[in-house]
Amino acid sequence: DAGVTQSPTHLIKTRGQHVTLRCSPISGHKSVSWYQQVLGQGPQFIFQYYEKEERGRGNFPDRFSARQFPNYSSELNVNALLLGDSALYLCASSSRQGLGYTFGSGTRLTVV
Amino acid sequence: GNSVTQMEGPVTLSEEAFLTINCTYTATGYPSLFWYVQYPGEGLQLLLKATKADDKGSNKGFEATYRKETTSFHLEKGSVQVSDSAVYFCALSPDRGSTLGRLYFGRGTQLTVWP
Repeated sequence: DAGVTQSPTHLIKTRGQHVTLRCSPISGHKSVSWYQQVLGQGPQFIFQYYEKEERGRGNFPDRFSARQFPNYSSELNVNALLLGDSALYLCASSSRQGLGYTFGSGTRLTVV
Repeated sequence: GNSVTQMEGPVTLSEEAFLTINCTYTATGYPSLFWYVQYPGEGLQLLLKATKADDKGSNKGFEATYRKETTSFHLEKGSVQVSDSAVYFCALSPDRGSTLGRLYFGRGTQLTVWP
């Protein structure tokens, strides 16, 4: 079975540009969460979606947005990129059975 | 509020040494507790979890016991291997058994094991 897949794996963008990151959850998982991991720190929660509705939002500016599609895949969008947005962006999916969260390998975003 | 505090690293051990990585938490409800491991260049992998007080999570020789009285979830392994070298994250989910809440992570502890 495929795990959580994220694309692209690496990305380099210029300040002020926009970026879209994509995530496909494990088959049957209806919840997708996004985390930002800055180098040397623990992941910070950005968004959670369940059944295409936003269920939680972390302390991130409005430049960050996300959505979930009918097939439960998800996109994270970041506008007006800043140097400080450089990080590993992780997607996690989960089911309602309380089995925990499964993370993808992440997208490494570098803003120059 | 909810937060996790991990012992700062890096931790450097020789192969077959005993490992302890301390983790304490603050939570507003009845949290579930997790340890995740991150190998270089990869995402997070769930190592073990515990959902209520006195539960012991275990996997691949690693263990951690949910201690409500000391609000702790320390990670231990009796004999580490070179392949255990990675960054270890302690995390909590505020709502026991729920998978619709966010995870709160500690800063991570880098473990390096020398042969």
